[in-house]
Amino acid sequence: QKEVEQNSGPLSVPEGAIASLNCTYSDRGSQSFFWYRQYSGKSPELIMSIYSNGDKEDGRFTAQLNKASQYVSLLIRDSQPSDSATYLCAVNGPSGGSNYKLTFGKGTLLTVNP
Amino acid sequence: DGGITQSPKYLFRKEGQNVTLSCEQNLNHDAMYWYRQDPGQGLRLIYYSQIVNDFQKGDIAEGYSVSREKKESFPLTVTSAQKNPTAFYLCASSIETGQGVAETQYFGPGTRLLVL
Repeated sequence: QKEVEQNSGPLSVPEGAIASLNCTYSDRGSQSFFWYRQYSGKSPELIMSIYSNGDKEDGRFTAQLNKASQYVSLLIRDSQPSDSATYLCAVNGPSGGSNYKLTFGKGTLLTVNP
Repeated sequence: DGGITQSPKYLFRKEGQNVTLSCEQNLNHDAMYWYRQDPGQGLRLIYYSQIVNDFQKGDIAEGYSVSREKKESFPLTVTSAQKNPTAFYLCASSIETGQGVAETQYFGPGTRLLVL
């Protein structure tokens, strides 16, 4: 059974600080990793995808992937109150079979305080 | 504008009733998905379809049925066999490269189903 684990939070940071969100996964063969943001009552929207070890930056967001440690993280620099949301980590399985399926973590609630 | 639409936004089901949730996309995506989200929970996969006229059960398919007669449409029926249907239902779609790697899934706005 594939598992994706996230701290449920809430994670509270002051405005302007760096928020660090973490995710671990159990399937060593996973190849695709995604971070989604979900505002209360709304549907998830993609923040970042990452497929290779290392860092990937997009504006204030940086995704970090370490396949050896089965760990993926999302850093949000200069956090804004508008970043307050639940952040979902999603991971797929190994090649073949049900590789197209994503397994989602339960999400981490982030609160950015003005 | 390209996107995914879901209707209705809210749906009320009576005991013993089947209800159908609509999902339409004009992104020309081959793959479509249905998820269920309960409060404080992650998304759980109900059904998915990688191509027209074919679909596969996800992790929680019991009490649900789908069809995929057109590339643009992937309706979900919640049957009377689903004893706890109250949840937020999300439809998603993605491209299908055939290269064995999961592509980004894009979500519709969701349908909230409540039992009367």
